Amino acid sequence: GDSVTQMEGPVTLSEEAFLTINCTYTATGYPSLFWYVQYPGEGLQLLLKATKADDKGSNKGFEATYRKETTSFHLEKGSVQVSDSAVYFCALMVYGNNRLAFGKGNQVVVIP
Amino acid sequence: DAMVIQNPRYQVTQFGKPVTLSCSQTLNHNVMYWYQQKSSQAPKLLFHYYDKDFNNEADTPDNFQSRRPNTSFCFLDIRSPGLGDAAMYLCATSRERGSGGDTQYFGPGTRLTVL
Repeated sequence: GDSVTQMEGPVTLSEEAFLTINCTYTATGYPSLFWYVQYPGEGLQLLLKATKADDKGSNKGFEATYRKETTSFHLEKGSVQVSDSAVYFCALMVYGNNRLAFGKGNQVVVIP
Repeated sequence: DAMVIQNPRYQVTQFGKPVTLSCSQTLNHNVMYWYQQKSSQAPKLLFHYYDKDFNNEADTPDNFQSRRPNTSFCFLDIRSPGLGDAAMYLCATSRERGSGGDTQYFGPGTRLTVL
């Protein structure tokens, strides 16, 4: 089936540090890929997406590139802020199927 | 701003007492979804409506029902809440379904507590 794997465990880093959250996927068809962010007590917000191979999604300083050869969609930000503290979910949706398959999420804590 | 609205944000109910959660949207999207998210877990799809067509997930308990009286509103009914139903309930919408790249837009969620 369709599934997303995110790196284990929370991520704690200092302000202005470089952030990477790994995401790999398996898909039964051709997927679109998404990163959602969830701030404490809130719903999910779309952070960025990519719909075809080699596309780069970007928003608010975050970037992720759809790599078909490595089935990956890693999230990066060059300089994080305290306000980036949240849970980040990688997700995919296969063409013809409306279900979003989510990864388990990564808690990111940015320390001043 | 177009958006997905959920009411209430926090709901407390008693074990076995029916409860209804509400979702409305100003996006005029065809598809509305209900997800259950338990603590520190990914959201789990319960069901969705494509227009008036209801689509239940195979593993959604019978205790959970939904209604969509019009394009803008969708309700989640929990007929007899158990302690295990305490969770965040997320409503989402998308313009279409099955086209792969269609983004789902989420509301802020309703946190349900069962006493």
